[in-house]
Amino acid sequence: IAGITQAPTSQILAAGRRMTLRCTQDMRHNAMYWYRQDLGLGLRLIHYSNTAGTTGKGEVPDGYSVSRANTDDFPLTLASAVPSQTSVYFCASSGGTSGREVNEQFFGPGTRLTVL
Amino acid sequence: GQNIDQPTEMTATEGAIVQINCTYQTSGFNGLFWYQQHAGEAPTFLSYNVLDGLEEKGRFSSFLSRSKGYSYLLLKELQMKDSASYLCAVLDSNYQLIWGAGTKLIIKP
Repeated sequence: IAGITQAPTSQILAAGRRMTLRCTQDMRHNAMYWYRQDLGLGLRLIHYSNTAGTTGKGEVPDGYSVSRANTDDFPLTLASAVPSQTSVYFCASSGGTSGREVNEQFFGPGTRLTVL
Repeated sequence: GQNIDQPTEMTATEGAIVQINCTYQTSGFNGLFWYQQHAGEAPTFLSYNVLDGLEEKGRFSSFLSRSKGYSYLLLKELQMKDSASYLCAVLDSNYQLIWGAGTKLIIKP
């Protein structure tokens, strides 16, 4: 793989079900991020991780959890999905060695989630 | 609070020039990014400004004025493939990217 992969590509989920969105990067970036993108609201940060073993809350963390057991993987879990969590979810990473590359974020292809 | 403003939608003609503005109010400033996002796809990096002035890269240029909290993205010789959303994002004092809602650019023949 090259870059960031996300799975599944899309999912329809019944309300109340548990769901884990997967994200894997092969760029050895230290920082990883989960965003949701809704029409008219732009990208909103859910959770982030500055390095393996650490995580932090973003702008809209409620109803979501993350873990960062290693550098490459950063799964996002919805413990009990609700319809308001219908969105497009993007995983991103950053971690170049100098200049803008340190903070430039690279995005995965996204997961389109519908909660009914 | 932190805020980034950009127009919701703009329309331009193929071959013309268009300027997309972005104004920001953030807690600190450590750089400004522009990303391009085609419908149904992920955002991809376009440009980065950390000092005042103009950065040129082919048909695309980006300008920054830190004192005015203002940036613009200039697209020249517009092509149909430039139809996309353009996202402005500011790196704040905590080195978190704060994103604008994006400007949808429609190119007409």
